[in-house]
Amino acid sequence: KAGVTQTPRYLIKTRGQQVTLSCSPISGHRSVSWYQQTPGQGLQFLFEYFSETQRNKGNFPGRFSGRQFSNSRSEMNVSTLELGDSALYLCASSLAVGPINTDTQYFGPGTRLTVL
Amino acid sequence: KQEVTQIPAALSVPEGENLVLNCSFTDSAIYNLQWFRQDPGKGLTSLLLIQSSQREQTSGRLNASLDKSSGRSTLYIAASQPGDSATYLCAVHTGRRALTFGSGTRLQVQP
Repeated sequence: KAGVTQTPRYLIKTRGQQVTLSCSPISGHRSVSWYQQTPGQGLQFLFEYFSETQRNKGNFPGRFSGRQFSNSRSEMNVSTLELGDSALYLCASSLAVGPINTDTQYFGPGTRLTVL
Repeated sequence: KQEVTQIPAALSVPEGENLVLNCSFTDSAIYNLQWFRQDPGKGLTSLLLIQSSQREQTSGRLNASLDKSSGRSTLYIAASQPGDSATYLCAVHTGRRALTFGSGTRLQVQP
């Protein structure tokens, strides 16, 4: 079974631009979560989607948004990029059998975003 | 607010040693705890998941324990190998459909 895939793997953007990252979960997984990883803040939760609905959101500004499609694939968008948005963006998928979703999270390889 | 701490931040050991990585969390109301491995510049690989009702889980040379009441978990690696060199992260699930991560322990196993 294929793992979680993320595209693109690397991105270089300039301040003020916007960017869209894509995540394809493991086949059959219904939940997709997004995390930001930086050297200073570590891994921080961005949001979680299930059945095309955002169920939870972390403490990030409104410039960070996402969506999930009917095939469970997800995209996240960052508008008006700032230097501090440079990070590794990780996507995770899980079966999400129960309402709270305490299943094992499987992570993709990440997208490395550099903002100049 | 849940906080997760991992000690030590870095560890260097000779090949063959048994070692213990520590993880502590401030709020014992967790659903589960998950240990991950991250190689430089890569994503996270799930190692072990311990449900809140469990005391330990084992996979090969890895054994993870959980003491929810004291807010602690340990990851035991037996007979360490150079291929075990990576950053090890623990994360707790507090029921809000999100993981709270520690800052990790960077492990270097010397051949």
